[in-house]
Amino acid sequence: DTGVSQNPRHKITKRGQNVTFRCDPISEHNRLYWYRQTLGQGPEFLTYFQNEAQLEKSRLLSDRFSAERPKGSFSTLEIQRTEQGDSAMYLCASSLERLGTQYFGPGTRLLVL
Amino acid sequence: AQSVTQLGSHVSVSEGALVLLRCNYSSSVPPYLFWYVQYPNQGLQLLLKYTTGATLVKGINGFEAEFKKSETSFHLTKPSAHMSDAAEYFCAVRPGGGADGLTFGKGTHLIIQP
Repeated sequence: DTGVSQNPRHKITKRGQNVTFRCDPISEHNRLYWYRQTLGQGPEFLTYFQNEAQLEKSRLLSDRFSAERPKGSFSTLEIQRTEQGDSAMYLCASSLERLGTQYFGPGTRLLVL
Repeated sequence: AQSVTQLGSHVSVSEGALVLLRCNYSSSVPPYLFWYVQYPNQGLQLLLKYTTGATLVKGINGFEAEFKKSETSFHLTKPSAHMSDAAEYFCAVRPGGGADGLTFGKGTHLIIQP
């Protein structure tokens, strides 16, 4: 059990560029969650998957945000046409079952210039 | 809809003193409640959780919390603070039978004075 991993850990980009973050959950965890955390705030739930199915996406912040989990293992979160307001920490978590404990990764810190 | 309120964005205690971090929640259905800790540049680590059953829940590192339905509270305590407890603490709620995303409070920064 190596824990949830996220890559990259840091990303600096210019406004208008697209960025993609990757999350590798704990192996055999079928649920995967994405959150955003801005400075001084708690994490904000964005979306989640059960295996490859995205079961909730209404909380994604805008249509510039999208997430995939094509084979039910790793997931990617993409932000298109980044804005300065997208600067935040993006956290991924996984759980073994629907009501299981969510284990968080270290996050990807995004800075949009 | 559910929400979480953490009273006090910063709490300062002396080493060896009691730690009390307050959390109040609102939920339309019986909630599952969580406390997570976040150290600088790290992800969130689960301290403890309440789902059903015993209302006093013990967690890691000597922390415990009590679910009080009548007060809609889930305060976190530790009898004796250590310097290593300095971190950001988040209370979170998830409706027992609903969507799986956690709703977090804004966090409380715990400062330990030597």
